[in-house]
Amino acid sequence: GDSVTQMEGPVTLSEEAFLTINCTYTATGYPSLFWYVQYPGEGLQLLLKATKADDKGSNKGFEATYRKETTSFHLEKGSVQVSDSAVYFCALSGGGSQGNLIFGKGTKLSVKP
Amino acid sequence: GAVVSQHPSRVICKSGTSVKIECRSLDFQATTMFWYRQFPKQSLMLMATSNEGSKATYEQGVEKDKFLINHASLTLSTLTVTSAHPEDSSFYICSAAGTGNTDTQYFGPGTRLTVL
Repeated sequence: GDSVTQMEGPVTLSEEAFLTINCTYTATGYPSLFWYVQYPGEGLQLLLKATKADDKGSNKGFEATYRKETTSFHLEKGSVQVSDSAVYFCALSGGGSQGNLIFGKGTKLSVKP
Repeated sequence: GAVVSQHPSRVICKSGTSVKIECRSLDFQATTMFWYRQFPKQSLMLMATSNEGSKATYEQGVEKDKFLINHASLTLSTLTVTSAHPEDSSFYICSAAGTGNTDTQYFGPGTRLTVL
């Protein structure tokens, strides 16, 4: 079945460092790909998405490109801030008929000043 | 942006009792709502998908008689954990998708259930 694998955390970076969180997927068909972020004490929020190969999703300085050839959707940010500290989830739209999501295990990011 | 609320945020109950969790879409109509369960340091696992006015579709391995889902209106879905036991303790999260756009889900803040 469809699945998502993302790098395990926790990831600890200093402010202004470059961030990469790897995400690869296995899927039949052509799923949409998502990154969700969960700040402490809050629900998941959609960070960005891409719906087809070579699409680049971007938001708040974060970017991810849908790479069909490598089945990847790595999240990147050039300069992280303390406020980016959160758990990041990679997800794909599953095979269900109603758009259910399949999530990776999440990567906790801590950014230190 | 679209807002989804959950109530309660935390609940502690005794073994054998039932607990109801509400999920509301506050500023949009949600034709489809999803219920997830999240174990510590684990991913979100889809439990069931519900459409307004129809029976929920449960994922394999999820007991539909134990986890009762009702989606009575376009803004409200409820999850009732019946005869709860300690192994049901978990973080339950709902999400909602708007009309014609099930590709984007908006998540509630989650409900922490602890069964003693």
